[in-house]
Amino acid sequence: DAGVTQSPTHLIKTRGQQVTLRCSPKSGHDTVSWYQQALGQGPQFIFQYYEEEERQRGNFPDRFSGHQFPNYSSELNVNALLLGDSALYLCASSLLGGRAETQYFGPGTRLLVL
Amino acid sequence: GESVGLHLPTLSVQEGDNSIINCAYSNSASDYFIWYKQESGKGPQFIIDIRSNMDKRQGQRVTVLLNKTVKHLSLQIAATQPGDSAVYFCAEKGLGANSKLTFGKGITLSVRP
Repeated sequence: DAGVTQSPTHLIKTRGQQVTLRCSPKSGHDTVSWYQQALGQGPQFIFQYYEEEERQRGNFPDRFSGHQFPNYSSELNVNALLLGDSALYLCASSLLGGRAETQYFGPGTRLLVL
Repeated sequence: GESVGLHLPTLSVQEGDNSIINCAYSNSASDYFIWYKQESGKGPQFIIDIRSNMDKRQGQRVTVLLNKTVKHLSLQIAATQPGDSAVYFCAEKGLGANSKLTFGKGITLSVRP
């Protein structure tokens, strides 16, 4: 049973560029959440997708957008990259109505903006 | 989550000893409180959680204690092993449309051989 997978593992971009990160949830899960983790800090919630719609959103600008597909996989898009967007981007999946709706994380995508 | 800078608090324990990692949370309305373990270069790994209506829950070699009066959560690890070395985060969440995780400050656990 595959866990949460993310691609790519590492990415280098320059300021002003756009990036798309991808996530496949754990088998049987229907909800995907995205988090940003800066070096030495805890993950910060970006947004969550369920039934192909954004259900919750954290305190992130509109440059951060996402999408969920019918197969529950998800993408995170960041436009007009800033140096401060350099971070580990984590995807977590869960099952609505499951016990505690526990979120299981993928390995993350390390984004470096130069 | 709160900013903790580049240097997280560190707890150093001797292999075989018991470890206790503490956390203060902020939202009394959270439904669940969770501990995650994060090893270098990896995503957070779920360890154990506790529902808000409980005060203790045990897993394999781990116990989570919840004190709602003082908004305090702790993780006890029995017979700490070198493989337990990692950064530990507490987190809180609701359910459904309020199920986002809010992470506390991380603590680095270092196990001395």
